[in-house]
Amino acid sequence: GENVEQHPSTLSVQEGDSAVIKCTYSDSASNYFPWYKQELGKRPQLIIDIRSNVGEKKDQRIAVTLNKTAKHFSLHITETQPEDSAVYFCAASNNQFYFGTGTSLTVIP
Amino acid sequence: NAGVTQTPKFRILKIGQSMTLQCTQDMNHNYMYWYRQDPGMGLKLIYYSVGAGITDKGEVPNGYNVSRSTTEDFPLRLELAAPSQTSVYFCASVLGVSYNEQFFGPGTRLTVL
Repeated sequence: GENVEQHPSTLSVQEGDSAVIKCTYSDSASNYFPWYKQELGKRPQLIIDIRSNVGEKKDQRIAVTLNKTAKHFSLHITETQPEDSAVYFCAASNNQFYFGTGTSLTVIP
Repeated sequence: NAGVTQTPKFRILKIGQSMTLQCTQDMNHNYMYWYRQDPGMGLKLIYYSVGAGITDKGEVPNGYNVSRSTTEDFPLRLELAAPSQTSVYFCASVLGVSYNEQFFGPGTRLTVL
């Protein structure tokens, strides 16, 4: 089956700086790569996603890049704000969804 | 639309008891999923369904059962609850293969003592 690895497990940045979270996957059949933000006690919330036929996607301060050859994808958050503090999960999917173990992001005011 | 709803929100079980976690979606989605999330960890797929009458195992199916008699409902059954099943359970749905966005329910926090 698929194996998704996510790094780092914790990340602290100063407000206004950028944050980068990286994931790798093992199954070349995976074709959809979403990123979720989860606040304490809440359900995961989709923040951005990318399909395997696209290399990069951007939505305001958030961007995702995908390298199919190397089987890795990354989340980039620019101009971080304290409300970006949360746990972020990557996932890889081909019908089933396989999640990374999460990155706890803290944005220091 | 209510989206994906789950009941109950919280439950405490004794070892060996059984229960059913309910999940309903009103978006006419074909695909439905059950996950468990242990503290500080990502979500692990328990079971999924690609349509009414069709279910399949995910990564961690042992100790659980599901059924999908209608498009809307996808209940998860725990038989003989064990402390290792203490977790938060999320149900999710997806419209179909080309529409991948998952919609999550609010979760059920289950404690087995």
